[in-house]
Amino acid sequence: EAQVTQNPRYLITVTGKKLTVTCSQNMNHEYMSWYRQDPGLGLRQIYYSMNVEVTDKGDVPEGYKVSRKEKRNFPLILESPSPNQTSLYFCASSLVGTDRSDTQYFGPGTRLTVL
Amino acid sequence: GQNIDQPTEMTATEGAIVQINCTYQTSGFNGLFWYQQHAGEAPTFLSYNVLDGLEEKGRFSSFLSRSKGYSYLLLKELQMKDSASYLCAVRVFSGGYNKLIFGAGTRLAVHP
Repeated sequence: EAQVTQNPRYLITVTGKKLTVTCSQNMNHEYMSWYRQDPGLGLRQIYYSMNVEVTDKGDVPEGYKVSRKEKRNFPLILESPSPNQTSLYFCASSLVGTDRSDTQYFGPGTRLTVL
Repeated sequence: GQNIDQPTEMTATEGAIVQINCTYQTSGFNGLFWYQQHAGEAPTFLSYNVLDGLEEKGRFSSFLSRSKGYSYLLLKELQMKDSASYLCAVRVFSGGYNKLIFGAGTRLAVHP
């Protein structure tokens, strides 16, 4: 089954304790992206990756890091989480193209609370 | 800048028709997507428009006018399970790649 998986699905942590949210896709997609979703603000892009070893900042990258060592995996790293990073996080992947097949497939989401 | 506007909330009756509007001001327009998102779940793809006109897909239709920066999603024969948020997203070509810019979403409540 074609899917994007994220782990963990729920996480409560404390300020400053490093954490990693994993993301994996099995569709051989080149493009992967991380979003955060906050009430009233919609989905905002944190980082994206066009392919292995190619990553770049999205609209709200401060406080986050990513890596893309393999095509299928795109982990999101919070080196020193702060309460303003409490949010719902989505990983997404897609082909790199311009037609309708380039729709993004989203993971199930990770609800993060930083105390 | 890039901006997408859609109503925050709408209510409708089971069996009725509802239209959710989306207006956008973006540069490098390269297609418009509608996604459905149930509370606490991932967005799922509903429709895609890149040319002006109406795209019909069962009970769901989406319309685009590029000159007006306007799209709408039309839901017919509403069912209770259609209660969800509907996200309008514009794909723009910027900085050498395509990216999706999302509106804040319209929360639709369908009541009996």
